[in-house]
Amino acid sequence: EPEVTQTPSHQVTQMGQEVILRCVPISNHLYFYWYRQILGQKVEFLVSFYNNEISEKSEIFDDQFSVERPDGSNFTLKIRSTKLEDSAMYFCASGDRDPDFGPGTRLTVT
Amino acid sequence: AQSVAQPEDQVNVAEGNPLTVKCTYSVSGNPYLFWYVQYPNRGLQFLLKYITGDNLVKGSYGFEAEFNKSQTSFHLKKPSALVSDSALYFCAVRDTGGSYIPTFGRGTSLIVHP
Repeated sequence: EPEVTQTPSHQVTQMGQEVILRCVPISNHLYFYWYRQILGQKVEFLVSFYNNEISEKSEIFDDQFSVERPDGSNFTLKIRSTKLEDSAMYFCASGDRDPDFGPGTRLTVT
Repeated sequence: AQSVAQPEDQVNVAEGNPLTVKCTYSVSGNPYLFWYVQYPNRGLQFLLKYITGDNLVKGSYGFEAEFNKSQTSFHLKKPSALVSDSALYFCAVRDTGGSYIPTFGRGTSLIVHP
């Protein structure tokens, strides 16, 4: 059964550095999502992407965040200048309507 | 606006006993309701969803959930817990009249003791 995959599984970075989190959605899905979960807190919606553009985004998804689908398979989340509070588990998801989630990337900002 | 609450951070149950993981929701219109499970080092796996119809929804791994409109609840249940059911469980809701973006609860850790 096809699955959403994410790399890396764990990323450690210094405050102020840029990070790119990578996702390979399920191939025939049309909608792509990023969610994050700060340790012990809710799973929070960041952004959805459809037809090569952002369809919805939350208040969390500010100018330091960007998403891209650079080719036919990858879907990336870039954080330009990481802050300590960006430390979280980041989940990619894809779906036709209701999302299937990847295993997540744990981002640790030191 | 849509929101979901999982009032228990952790649920402990003995193997073989029935389990319940609680979820309540709030939406403006009608809800689509979901349960996801997260095993260690794994992604969120879909368990079941309620869209319409029968209030009792059956899902994967023997789990079921009961939609109760008057109590705005969607509790997850299983008649006989297994140690392998130990995981983090997330309830989610989206408004049928709103966006496709589900809102998640903060999760409940289920621990099944042998």
